[in-house]
Amino acid sequence: KNEVEQSPQNLTAQEGEFITINCSYSVGISALHWLQQHPGGGIVSLFMLSSGKKKHGRLIATINIQEKHSSLHITASHPRDSAVYICAVPPNTGNQFYFGTGTSLTVIP
Amino acid sequence: DVKVTQSSRYLVKRTGEKVFLECVQDMDHENMFWYRQDPGLGLRLIYFSYDVKMKEKGDIPEGYSVSREKKERFSLILESASTNQTSMYLCASSYRGEPRHYGYTFGSGTRLTVV
Repeated sequence: KNEVEQSPQNLTAQEGEFITINCSYSVGISALHWLQQHPGGGIVSLFMLSSGKKKHGRLIATINIQEKHSSLHITASHPRDSAVYICAVPPNTGNQFYFGTGTSLTVIP
Repeated sequence: DVKVTQSSRYLVKRTGEKVFLECVQDMDHENMFWYRQDPGLGLRLIYFSYDVKMKEKGDIPEGYSVSREKKERFSLILESASTNQTSMYLCASSYRGEPRHYGYTFGSGTRLTVV
């Protein structure tokens, strides 16, 4: 049973394309995190959001708590955006996260 | 710059060896976690600790043990390494009761190959 589902699992895009990664979850939460992992590297946090939309540069994250769904968008994608993007949800009880399996993004010049 | 440091980036061990993976954090976090990451399976929790000398099993503890003698250090031990333990191992830490607000801080990972 997966508490967090991400799609797609793999994504290849041409430089400049608009990219969307989706995350659906089944547990009750008050916030959701989007994480980024570059090849061979550790994991860093991109966004934490509990409602609406957040924007950081070319990255936009949206969430609908009622529908239990979040999306991560990348505008004007660039090869340096190539990474694994992971959706993480901390349930309202407990100290642990549930993680999606990740979306591996490759942006081709 | 606060950080979680894992002692090795790459490690190659032989089947049957006892393997120690070390993780140190300098943020005075109470919670520490060990995950393994495999393609298509994502991050799976092996063990976690809420305090010194405390440990809890995660989803896949078989073949692993942990030690937390000091607050800043959390060690993962493979008692007798096997080839199916070849994986990326990630350590993380957080304040107690705060992950849903502040999230985890992750180490850079240790890619372990068992031959």
